[in-house]
Amino acid sequence: DSGVTQTPKHLITATGQRVTLRCSPRSGDLSVYWYQQSLDQGLQFLIQYYNGEERAKGNILERFSAQQFPDLHSELNLSSLELGDSALYFCASSAASGGYNEQFFGPGTRLTVL
Amino acid sequence: GDSVTQMEGPVTLSEEAFLTINCTYTATGYPSLFWYVQYPGEGLQLLLKATKADDKGSNKGFEATYRKETTSFHLEKGSVQVSDSAVYFCALILVGGSQGNLIFGKGTKLSVKP
Repeated sequence: DSGVTQTPKHLITATGQRVTLRCSPRSGDLSVYWYQQSLDQGLQFLIQYYNGEERAKGNILERFSAQQFPDLHSELNLSSLELGDSALYFCASSAASGGYNEQFFGPGTRLTVL
Repeated sequence: GDSVTQMEGPVTLSEEAFLTINCTYTATGYPSLFWYVQYPGEGLQLLLKATKADDKGSNKGFEATYRKETTSFHLEKGSVQVSDSAVYFCALILVGGSQGNLIFGKGTKLSVKP
């Protein structure tokens, strides 16, 4: 158990809908990262937050957004969903940002868009 | 841009066979290198890491050496077990910046037969 929790574990929805994925980092970790794992794209970095502020952006679509709250949990919002958004979404956390800070991964949320 | 290339799988071995999974990288800066493992239905776990040239990371019988001259970080294990069946990801983080997102290879699926 990494100490990172993600809810829900599975999510099934329809095209055009909006969903919210939730992540609670390990106790004391200030950085949260979101990654998408799909069969065609592999594991891709989406976005990073550090202590409530956006720190880095990767291949995140404009239809996707995220935020980190004062209690350090994070939410990833996916809107106007398309079939191609079906993927496993991982959250990871680390103590700080920059340099080498080991990232601990949650179990993921599997999103299926029908 | 920065990237990681690892050998495509799947790799199927018999128990006690020798394992090598090749990984090479391209980085504009000076990276730290990692191998992560994903067991079926689970999130990613850090297997081993190396933060500077000629460092050898090791864990659970797996080893990888950071070779700056060949920009490689090949994963090896002398005698695999059925329980090693998983997907293995090579990854890097650029050291020195304020960001800390991992850049992953596509992953290599390993199946070990008894």
